[in-house]
Amino acid sequence: NAGVTQTPKFQVLKTGQSMTLQCAQDMNHEYMSWYRQDPGMGLRLIHYSVGAGITDQGEVPNGYNVSRSTTEDFPLRLLSAAPSQTSVYFCASREGGSKNIQYFGAGTRLSVL
Amino acid sequence: AQTVTQSQPEMSVQEAETVTLSCTYDTSESDYYLFWYKQPPSRQMILVIRQEAYKQQNATENRFSVNFQKAAKSFSLKISDSQLGDAAMYFCAYRSPLAGTASKLTFGTGTRLQVTL
Repeated sequence: NAGVTQTPKFQVLKTGQSMTLQCAQDMNHEYMSWYRQDPGMGLRLIHYSVGAGITDQGEVPNGYNVSRSTTEDFPLRLLSAAPSQTSVYFCASREGGSKNIQYFGAGTRLSVL
Repeated sequence: AQTVTQSQPEMSVQEAETVTLSCTYDTSESDYYLFWYKQPPSRQMILVIRQEAYKQQNATENRFSVNFQKAAKSFSLKISDSQLGDAAMYFCAYRSPLAGTASKLTFGTGTRLQVTL
């Protein structure tokens, strides 16, 4: 049971480069989300999706785009990387209903030089 | 907007002893969900325990239990018989049941727990 899979695990970018962080889940969960984790700030929500074709902004959406063409995949795109986007990124998924448990991927450590 | 506060940046406990991690939150909602997540050096976020606000009984999972005080908006985590593998960063998190925030967890800033021999 793979759960939530994130790739890559590590990435170094130069300012202005673009890239896509991949996230896939095999649990048929409706809800998926992206968080970033910065020192001393806990995790903050970037974007989330409540189902295929439906996305919405979280607390810190600027500089990021998402799409949800399938239930399984929820990629996060950095259009023009900035040093302020240096962070650890987590993808999470959650089934609908009352359990309300979010399952997290292992994270992607991104450095923007 | 909801906020979650963890006032202890670091805690230390001896193996086999008990430690309590504090968490307070601010909300105007009457129904919500609270969680404790563990993040070991591997970075993986692991759910430790969860509590539904409408339940008066405190949640328990083996050596982990919570003290949920709804009126005081307090949600502390007690770890009994601490083990070396408990050493990690612990995050308290809040989730609103509202459909518009279906996926959003609001996290505290974390407490780093050290376990000593």
